[in-house]
Amino acid sequence: DVKVTQSSRYLVKRTGEKVFLECVQDMDHENMFWYRQDPGLGLRLIYFSYDVKMKEKGDIPEGYSVSREKKERFSLILESASTNQTSMYLCASSLTTEAFFGQGTRLTVV
Amino acid sequence: RKEVEQDPGPFNVPEGATVAFNCTYSNSASQSFFWYRQDCRKEPKLLMSVYSSGNEDGRFTAQLNRASQYISLLIRDSKLSDSATYLCVVNWGTGRRALTFGSGTRLQVQP
Repeated sequence: DVKVTQSSRYLVKRTGEKVFLECVQDMDHENMFWYRQDPGLGLRLIYFSYDVKMKEKGDIPEGYSVSREKKERFSLILESASTNQTSMYLCASSLTTEAFFGQGTRLTVV
Repeated sequence: RKEVEQDPGPFNVPEGATVAFNCTYSNSASQSFFWYRQDCRKEPKLLMSVYSSGNEDGRFTAQLNRASQYISLLIRDSKLSDSATYLCVVNWGTGRRALTFGSGTRLQVQP
């Protein structure tokens, strides 16, 4: 079974903090993604990566950056957390088109 | 206009009912289509792919209409365990490997 693991289920951070969300997959997938999910808006793509050190902006990259130093790990960075970044963050990986998701990190910025 | 649009519901149906969800997409170049299921407080998981000729998986039938740019999901003989949010998902194909998700349709099957 594919396993995508996110480092935290719940996080509470203060406005202005630098926040790291970590994601690891164990299936040697080339593609990894970060989405955020908000009520009524569905899943929105923040960034994706199709290879080590390669990244592309998604639909809502502002306020975020990513890092992919190793194939199995894809990190999402909130440079200076703001309250409008309070959300559910979902990491996913894929080989072709089917995406496998981690369990999600619910981030609250206070 | 959203790239993938779904009726948010909720659809409240009794056990045994047949229920159908529709979804429209805006990008005519879209190449792959899927339905994902998301249970409350869980991650989305692939329910089924949608093929041009239509396809069935047990009680679930998916249809694609490229001319009208919509896809549908039909659930027959609804079970309590079918209660979830159903996400319509589109892949644009070349140049964009990520999936584009609709905001989901919530289904509540009642005893």
